[in-house]
Amino acid sequence: DAKTTQPPSMDCAEGRAANLPCNHSTISGNEYVYWYRQIHSQGPQYIIHGLKNNETNEMASLIITEDRKSSTLILPHATLRDTAVYYCIVRVVGFNKFYFGSGTKLNVKP
Amino acid sequence: DTGVSQDPRHKITKRGQNVTFRCDPISEHNRLYWYRQTLGQGPEFLTYFQNEAQLEKSRLLSDRFSAERPKGSFSTLEIQRTEQGDSAMYLCASSYRDYPTDTQYFGPGTRLTVL
Repeated sequence: DAKTTQPPSMDCAEGRAANLPCNHSTISGNEYVYWYRQIHSQGPQYIIHGLKNNETNEMASLIITEDRKSSTLILPHATLRDTAVYYCIVRVVGFNKFYFGSGTKLNVKP
Repeated sequence: DTGVSQDPRHKITKRGQNVTFRCDPISEHNRLYWYRQTLGQGPEFLTYFQNEAQLEKSRLLSDRFSAERPKGSFSTLEIQRTEQGDSAMYLCASSYRDYPTDTQYFGPGTRLTVL
């Protein structure tokens, strides 16, 4: 699987958009980008995934650059409950396991 | 609640004892995964099942570890002769084989402490 690079931590003010970047410069054409988050002492929670088009669901938006070498997860109106570690993962189609890196610790502040 | 469940949520044991964890996947999911997470690190893949067949095992899964999924439903992960290095969160995930994306949904985890 392609390696991903994320900043170790970020701060965001409550009510503002949180933009979490991920670099995956060695991504292949058949690799999807997934985002999960993990709130302290809980299991990882699926957020969103995409291949090359931008995606949006009730939790977040995923913006993938045209060259697919980086992506941004956007939480449109961050709340204190969004404080968590966010993992960006790329996975080859047909492969089963996820490789989690160290993620980005998002601190949402009042 | 129809999510992935794990039991127990916490387990404290003494070094050398055997422990067993259980995972109940989402009912229609035919794939089940085990991961291990140590403090400050992301989860690491241990093994996965498709139905009752164990199709892949990580090198992290030493011979003291064994996982089963009888009848393709719930799964158990057993650790024999526990060591202090086994202290970690053990996470279970399940998915429905849905080419090409196969999104995994995680349970709350079992936190193991080996004294």
